[in-house]
Amino acid sequence: QLHLHESGPGPVKPSETLSLTCTVSGDSISSSSYYWGWIRQPPGKGLGWIGSIYYNGSSYYYPSLKSRVTISVDTSKNQFSLSLTSVTAADTAVYYCVRHVRELDYFDFWGQGTLVTVSS
Amino acid sequence: SYELTQPPSVSVSPGQTASINCSGDALSELYGYWYQQKPGQAPLVVIYKDTERPSGIPERFSGSSSGTTVTLTISGVQAGDEADYYCQSADRNGTFVVFGGGTKLTVL
Repeated sequence: QLHLHESGPGPVKPSETLSLTCTVSGDSISSSSYYWGWIRQPPGKGLGWIGSIYYNGSSYYYPSLKSRVTISVDTSKNQFSLSLTSVTAADTAVYYCVRHVRELDYFDFWGQGTLVTVSS
Repeated sequence: SYELTQPPSVSVSPGQTASINCSGDALSELYGYWYQQKPGQAPLVVIYKDTERPSGIPERFSGSSSGTTVTLTISGVQAGDEADYYCQSADRNGTFVVFGGGTKLTVL
């Protein structure tokens, strides 16, 4: 059974960098069929795709976030990570890691999500 | 930028049929997907490729597509179907993924 688990250091101060890691179990992140991605949801608001990465490091991002986002992959640990720089209160959200069926562009498995608060 | 538009809310009585539309220019060429999100939970895909239902999703959930609109239909609505529903697709060039704003389904 596939399981994705988000982890991170906790609250982030404005202007600092938000960092999260997703640990995948039950499937190899090196599977050729899937990308691995991040989606966020501000409190009381809708879903927003951040970006996705393939096991070989090929990645793509939502245009308005592209300048601040980096997604990386560590196949030896079966993990992928999110880095979001220069955060503001608007980046406060529940962050979900997901398995991305790139061929069809949808998300078939989701982590439980982790709330990241940006506050001084 | 490309957007998907869905109504903010839909209300139905138990046992009735709920329909939620989602419109977007590229939906005439690309598939639409639907996710159900209950409070405090991660979203769950209930329809993929416009009309396909993942294993474990009740037959009461169905999807359709016509032109630039995809529709999620829930027949015989139950109290447990009360949730937020999001449509999702991509831009024509496959360069980014987009979600609709979400529809809150209320079971009266």
